[in-house]
Amino acid sequence: LAKTTQPISMDSYEGQEVNITCSHNNIATNDYITWYQQFPSQGPRFIIQGYKTKVTNEVASLFIPADRKSSTLSLPRVSLSDTAVYYCLVGDLIYNQGGKLIFGQGTELSVKP
Amino acid sequence: NAGVTQTPKFRILKIGQSMTLQCTQDMNHNYMYWYRQDPGMGLKLIYYSVGAGITDKGEVPNGYNVSRSTTEDFPLRLELAAPSQTSVYFCASASGTGSYEQYFGPGTRLTVT
Repeated sequence: LAKTTQPISMDSYEGQEVNITCSHNNIATNDYITWYQQFPSQGPRFIIQGYKTKVTNEVASLFIPADRKSSTLSLPRVSLSDTAVYYCLVGDLIYNQGGKLIFGQGTELSVKP
Repeated sequence: NAGVTQTPKFRILKIGQSMTLQCTQDMNHNYMYWYRQDPGMGLKLIYYSVGAGITDKGEVPNGYNVSRSTTEDFPLRLELAAPSQTSVYFCASASGTGSYEQYFGPGTRLTVT
């Protein structure tokens, strides 16, 4: 499982777009990139997953450059309720029997009014 | 669907006591996981299971045991509780096909004194 590096914390204001970048220099060919969100006293919640280029769903976009050594989670027009910890994870869906995930420390996003 | 349920929500144990944390999912998921989360840290995988009767160790299995006799249930047993096991415990499940989307329970906050 590839190691990931993300900023420890970020601040933003309501209505702004927030981009959180994750580095994963040792990503392997079969690895996918997954992001989770965690609110205090709750279990993490899946946000988005991708392999290359761009993935978008109703809550976020995930940008992955051609070399796949980094990825950026983009949250459009954040609100106070987006204040949470965001985790970037990398793993092999094909050969990782068990779907094991390794959570790092994550990025603590604080959204201010 | 209730999703993933965990009992109890809170528990205080004395050093040397034992207990079982219960986890049940109603989504017919093959994969199930137990994590622990210490204050300010990411989640660490304790044990996981890819199906009934099959379990394997994660990053931090020492001091814990698991069993998986049915698809729905994945109990975690703590033997001889120690203060180092004070943590929040999360159970999760996943379908195991083509995605790293895991569904987490609400957690059990355990204190060992």
